[in-house]
Amino acid sequence: GEDVEQSLFLSVREGDSSVINCTYTDSSSTYLYWYKQEPGAGLQLLTYIFSNMDMKQDQRLTVLLNKKDKHLSLRIADTQTGDSAIYFCAESNTGGFKTIFGAGTRLFVKA
Amino acid sequence: EAGVAQSPRYKIIEKRQSVAFWCNPISGHATLYWYQQILGQGPKLLIQFQNNGVVDDSQLPKDRFSAERLKGVDSTLKIQPAKLEDSAVYLCASSPTGEGYTFGSGTRLTVV
Repeated sequence: GEDVEQSLFLSVREGDSSVINCTYTDSSSTYLYWYKQEPGAGLQLLTYIFSNMDMKQDQRLTVLLNKKDKHLSLRIADTQTGDSAIYFCAESNTGGFKTIFGAGTRLFVKA
Repeated sequence: EAGVAQSPRYKIIEKRQSVAFWCNPISGHATLYWYQQILGQGPKLLIQFQNNGVVDDSQLPKDRFSAERLKGVDSTLKIQPAKLEDSAVYLCASSPTGEGYTFGSGTRLTVV
């Protein structure tokens, strides 16, 4: 079945760039998402990319997609302590139905 | 725009008791989802509604879980009877299209 995998932890220093990686198995994925979850809160959509794109930039966030390798990454430039959270990679097929989430990467930002 | 509202925020029950969660999606969002998030894991889809019809409930444990969405707006998720392994955060989300969901803050359920 479909699967989304992420590394569990990432620690960076404040001001550095963070790169969170994700791999997925469903070759028919149409949408790929990055969500952020802070303690005690629901998931917040950060950004998404269509499968026919290879890059999307939104302020400090850059998403790179390698469709051949089914690899997605999220780069956060100038990481701040407020970026400390769990980041979930997710993929879904056409129409956004049946979205599959990874287990999440916990980002620690050291001051 | 108001977000997805969920209640209660927290619930503690004993095993074999019943519990119900409520969700009010963003106005106009036709698609509503219930997810279960166990500690340390990503959300897992329980059920998806399109308006008031069920699109996917393949991962809903139907012997104990039930959900409804009356009039295509609010939704309730019920567990009867609860088991210890049902302890999790239950997240409701809504979406107008495939371009990402808006999640509520969730209901944290502890079964003791």
